[in-house]
Amino acid sequence: NAGVTQTPKFRVLKTGQSMTLLCAQDMNHEYMYWYRQDPGMGLRLIHYSVGEGTTAKGEVPDGYNVSRLKKQNFLLGLESAAPSQTSVYFCASSYVRGGAGLEQFFGPGTRLTVL
Amino acid sequence: EDQVTQSPEALRLQEGESSSLNCSYTVSGLRGLFWYRQDPGKGPEFLFTLYSAGEEKEKERLKATLTKKESFLHITAPKPEDSATYLCAAPLSQKLVFGQGTRLTINP
Repeated sequence: NAGVTQTPKFRVLKTGQSMTLLCAQDMNHEYMYWYRQDPGMGLRLIHYSVGEGTTAKGEVPDGYNVSRLKKQNFLLGLESAAPSQTSVYFCASSYVRGGAGLEQFFGPGTRLTVL
Repeated sequence: EDQVTQSPEALRLQEGESSSLNCSYTVSGLRGLFWYRQDPGKGPEFLFTLYSAGEEKEKERLKATLTKKESFLHITAPKPEDSATYLCAAPLSQKLVFGQGTRLTINP
């Protein structure tokens, strides 16, 4: 049982390049989330998904797109990377009870640097 | 506005020196309060869920408590390996509202 895994662990991009971050979970969780964490800013929600084929915007969605084609995978895309997107990205998943997502379980993170 | 606030921002203790971290919230219709531990370079690790005022949960040297307005994470006789950032979060609709965290350092 691997829990939540993220690929890649590290990446350096040049401004304007694109990339996709992959999150996978093997806990059969309905909900999945993408966060970014910056010094002094805490965890900020980028996008989230409440089920296969559904996505919704979080607190800081601009410059990012997501897809949830399979229940166990949640992809985060950067179409044209900017230095402001240099950050550590975390994926999380949670099960559902009473219509609300509960405890979220986090992946190990992807450290992205945009030059 | 739904908000979660943690204090202090940073806390430095000597090994064995007990203390408490605070998490206050203004999320309406609270349906749980979560505590996480985050080590440098790693993702947050789930510690506790508290659902109702008066509830307590314990794990080794940590004990979490909940009132109607705030939660405390009590650390008894801490060891250097307890050094980490501790985050609290409250569920809001389908998401979590996180506090900024308390960075705890335990000196040997």
